[in-house]
Amino acid sequence: GAVVSQHPSRVICKSGTSVKIECRSLDFQATTMFWYRQFPKKSLMLMATSNEGSKATYEQGVEKDKFLINHASLTLSTLTVTSAHPEDSSFYICSATRTWGTEAFFGQGTRLTVV
Amino acid sequence: DAKTTQPPSMDCAEGRAANLPCNHSTISGNEYVYWYRQIHSQGPQYIIHGLKNNETNEMASLIITEDRKSSTLILPHATLRDTAVYYCSTAAVGSYQLTFGKGTKLSVIP
Repeated sequence: GAVVSQHPSRVICKSGTSVKIECRSLDFQATTMFWYRQFPKKSLMLMATSNEGSKATYEQGVEKDKFLINHASLTLSTLTVTSAHPEDSSFYICSATRTWGTEAFFGQGTRLTVV
Repeated sequence: DAKTTQPPSMDCAEGRAANLPCNHSTISGNEYVYWYRQIHSQGPQYIIHGLKNNETNEMASLIITEDRKSSTLILPHATLRDTAVYYCSTAAVGSYQLTFGKGTKLSVIP
């Protein structure tokens, strides 16, 4: 299957700071990428859909000014958590789809801890 | 609300077939059925997907009922490494926007 890589895999940041998470498709071009968050022992919750070169579409209840998504190229999408608070601590996961594919491939996830 | 329902947990003896059911009674005609699994603290791993025909790959088989309202993922010879949470999802053709329910925690027992 296709490879999607996230960086960093773990990050600890202080309250009030911002942190950027990268999602890269390593061996294919991804026209669409998705961002999810997952709380302990819970399922994945879709946060937003990003298409290369256009603004992201956020799910209801997700603050777009807090979770900034940029999809500037066909192989890279970034999620920036701005003014992070402890309640933003979570597991963030991205997925990407190929232009003519039929399945989405997931990154390994990023564990964010805000202290 | 999730569009799929799955049993919260299942056990399977190592070497035996694991049959994981999923109900997707509101599935639309243009929606695929997808199966992923997630091992603790990792991103979900793609397993298999199908539209209406049964599918098989190197990892598993997918059996979709004729009315498409339910499906079963079959791991033919479960190993300890297959212990994971298995998610069934649906998404429209060309959408890939997967929503996940609570999944089934499969425990493969030696």
